[in-house]
Amino acid sequence: EDKVVQSPLSLVVHEGDTVTLNCSYEVTNFRSLLWYKQEKKAPTFLFMLTSSGIEKKSGRLSSILDKKELFSILNITATQTGDSAVYLCAVDKGRGRPLHSGGSNYKLTFGKGTLLTVNP
Amino acid sequence: DAGVIQSPRHEVTEMGQEVTLRCKPISGHNSLFWYRQTMMRGLELLIYFNNNVPIDDSGMPEDRFSAKMPNASFSTLKIQPSEPRDSAVYFCASSYALTSGRTSTDTQYFGPGTRLTVL
Repeated sequence: EDKVVQSPLSLVVHEGDTVTLNCSYEVTNFRSLLWYKQEKKAPTFLFMLTSSGIEKKSGRLSSILDKKELFSILNITATQTGDSAVYLCAVDKGRGRPLHSGGSNYKLTFGKGTLLTVNP
Repeated sequence: DAGVIQSPRHEVTEMGQEVTLRCKPISGHNSLFWYRQTMMRGLELLIYFNNNVPIDDSGMPEDRFSAKMPNASFSTLKIQPSEPRDSAVYFCASSYALTSGRTSTDTQYFGPGTRLTVL
């Protein structure tokens, strides 16, 4: 059975701290891993990772994938109260060409998320 | 663009009633996804469509759930009959996937969700 496991389940930090969120997976036909941020509404997309060792960066957020060890991390540096949210990891195990290469077959399995609380 | 539109935003119904959730994807998007989110199970993909055709419905929990996409701008998720364990937030998302070998956007845009409570 496919599994996506995130850790920790919950994290409380002070503003300015750096956090690392973990996502490990066991899926057949792995194609890509995605990170989402969810506040009190719908999830918003952060990153999609397909290749090992290539860091993706957006401001204070960065993420990297290790396809050999089957995990990904999401780093947030200099955290702010606005970073408080649930961070979701999802693995795409669609068949055929990946979505980012023009394919259209797409199936996501989500982890349960990490609840990050950043206190002032 | 108005983004993904879902209706209703909240629904409270009694067990056994039929529930229909509606979604209007972003204009021009050709992929549509229905998700369910609960505290116990997190965010689950129920079904997704590409060019109005259901591609994978293996996430649909049981026969009481059905989804349709009669055209590119509208989709419904129906639960009949509803049960208390169906109580959840149901999200619709859409994206655009090119089918001719060029890099496509990989972002799914989520709607605000429908909070369903079945008593």
